Amino acid sequence: DVKVTQSSRYLVKRTGEKVFLECVQDMDHENMFWYRQDPGLGLRLIYFSYDVKMKEKGDIPEGYSVSREKKERFSLILESASTNQTSMYLCASSLRLAGDWEQFFGPGTRLTVL
Amino acid sequence: QKEVEQNSGPLSVPEGAIASLNCTYSDRVSQSFFWYRQYSGKSPELIMSIYSNGDKEDGRFTAQLNKASQYVSLLIRDSQPSDSATYLCAVKGAGNNRKLIWGLGTSLAVNP
Repeated sequence: DVKVTQSSRYLVKRTGEKVFLECVQDMDHENMFWYRQDPGLGLRLIYFSYDVKMKEKGDIPEGYSVSREKKERFSLILESASTNQTSMYLCASSLRLAGDWEQFFGPGTRLTVL
Repeated sequence: QKEVEQNSGPLSVPEGAIASLNCTYSDRVSQSFFWYRQYSGKSPELIMSIYSNGDKEDGRFTAQLNKASQYVSLLIRDSQPSDSATYLCAVKGAGNNRKLIWGLGTSLAVNP
């Protein structure tokens, strides 16, 4: 079974802090994704990565950056946290092979910025 | 803007009934279609994927795809209270685009 883990289930930070969210997958997947999910807005893609050190912006990259130094690990960084970044953050991974695009999710991190 | 549309619900069905969830998409060249289940406070979990027109069955779940009409549906037979969740439809476009386009989800309540 694919296993995607995230560093924290719940996190509380203060405005202006730098926040690191980590995601690790154990199935040698090439693609990794960071989403945020808010009531009424659904899943919104922040960034994704299709290879080590490669990244592409999603739909809402402002205020975020990412790092992928190893294939299994994808980090999301909030450079200076703001209250409007309070959300559920979900990491997902998928294979690159054509026809095999299912994404598998980690348990999520509920981030509260005070 | 490529879109995936779902009725937000809530869809309420009695235990043992068939629940029918629908999803329409705007990108005619979409190739891959996915249904996820999400319990409150949890992350989405893949239920079914479907790539070809027609039906695909897995246990109590059947996915139906009609590319000409640009819709995909999920039927849940013998619905159980444990099926109460939000069901997300996701669509992948053609080619090497790695992203999925997500619907907002349909909330399903199965009443004992």
